[in-house]
Amino acid sequence: GQQVMQIPQYQHVQEGEDFTTYCNSSTTLSNIQWYKQRPGGHPVFLIQLVKSGEVKKQKRLTFQFGEAKKNSSLHITATQTTDVGTYFCALGNTGKLIFGQGTTLQVKP
Amino acid sequence: DGGITQSPKYLFRKEGQNVTLSCEQNLNHDAMYWYRQDPGQGLRLIYYSQIVNDFQKGDIAEGYSVSREKKESFPLTVTSAQKNPTAFYLCASSNYLTGDYGYTFGSGTRLTVV
Repeated sequence: GQQVMQIPQYQHVQEGEDFTTYCNSSTTLSNIQWYKQRPGGHPVFLIQLVKSGEVKKQKRLTFQFGEAKKNSSLHITATQTTDVGTYFCALGNTGKLIFGQGTTLQVKP
Repeated sequence: DGGITQSPKYLFRKEGQNVTLSCEQNLNHDAMYWYRQDPGQGLRLIYYSQIVNDFQKGDIAEGYSVSREKKESFPLTVTSAQKNPTAFYLCASSNYLTGDYGYTFGSGTRLTVV
């Protein structure tokens, strides 16, 4: 079945440093979504990307969809302690989502 | 406020017992989903339902059962046939039929087998 690889699995950064997580698929994607899960919490929808080469921004977060629609990235500029959590990408597939393994971000104050 | 309510938040079950996890939404979403999350892992799809009285198996349906008798409700039963049921269970809904694909998740149920 369709799968997605997300890297890295863990990332520790100093507050103020940038952070990027990547999502890669072997097949062309119709769309990709990003979610954030705080420690002990539930996933919260961040954004959906649909178009080839699409770039969307939410404050310090920048989301990108690859030109070939096979990969995506989430970049956080100048991390803050509130950014701590696990970031998941998810592929849309006939009405259901397939989630990546997630990247867990730790931010040292 | 619209949202998804999962209950209970914590659940302890003895081996050999069936247990039912509740999931109710008032978002008027057509589709509902159950995912399982193990520590340090991603989310794996158990069952999903895109319309009332219809549901499909996900990737790890063995040992689980669901029903969708009402649009608002999608309960999950963890049966004694599920070999390793201790996990965090998340219910979600979406309105994908209208093109709004983003999932809304409930706060989850942590199930522990004792």
